[in-house]
Amino acid sequence: DAGITQSPRHKVTETGTPVTLRCHQTENHRYMYWYRQDPGHGLRLIHYSYGVKDTDKGEVSDGYSVSRSKTEDFLLTLESATSSQTSVYFCAISEFVGRTDTQYFGPGTRLTVL
Amino acid sequence: TQLLEQSPQFLSIQEGENLTVYCNSSSVFSSLQWYRQEPGEGPVLLVTVVTGGEVKKLKRLTFQFGDARKDSSLHITAAQPGDTGLYLCAGESNFGNEKLTFGTGTRLTIIP
Repeated sequence: DAGITQSPRHKVTETGTPVTLRCHQTENHRYMYWYRQDPGHGLRLIHYSYGVKDTDKGEVSDGYSVSRSKTEDFLLTLESATSSQTSVYFCAISEFVGRTDTQYFGPGTRLTVL
Repeated sequence: TQLLEQSPQFLSIQEGENLTVYCNSSSVFSSLQWYRQEPGEGPVLLVTVVTGGEVKKLKRLTFQFGDARKDSSLHITAAQPGDTGLYLCAGESNFGNEKLTFGTGTRLTIIP
């Protein structure tokens, strides 16, 4: 258990409204990630962070922003939600084991945009 | 953009049968990981393979990394209902890159 929690676990919202998802970790990991999971696409990286206030874009970052003001919290914001952002969102942390990067995932947030 | 294609996308077999899931790419990876995900939960790491040609066994699961480090396979012997889940492969392009490329996933159902 990597001590990762996500909130909320489920959310239904309307098109055009802002939405913020929270990821919280308890073990002081430097790297944190936000992914979205859609059928047939596996997991796709939205944004990631390599330290407080240090973030970078992933492959599907359009329409999303992130913030990390504390080591333990990584926030994902949809400024104006669209139906195409209906998905399951996973947060992850990264831990090095030997030479390789292992990621541990939170339980996910199911977001529905009507 | 690196892509990892998994096949089959869906697989439904009887308990006791054997199966193989494939993960293929045109790109070379420094390591390849396999995760299993159950409904309502995040993926959980099963194994990491690092060396071309490497074979790792985890009870009834056998993982192989291709010689050219572009592909991998997962073989399950005598499948059990507890093996049901979504299997994801993930590649690390360079050691220490801190980013993984995930495959498209194989949803496996074992019928009792």
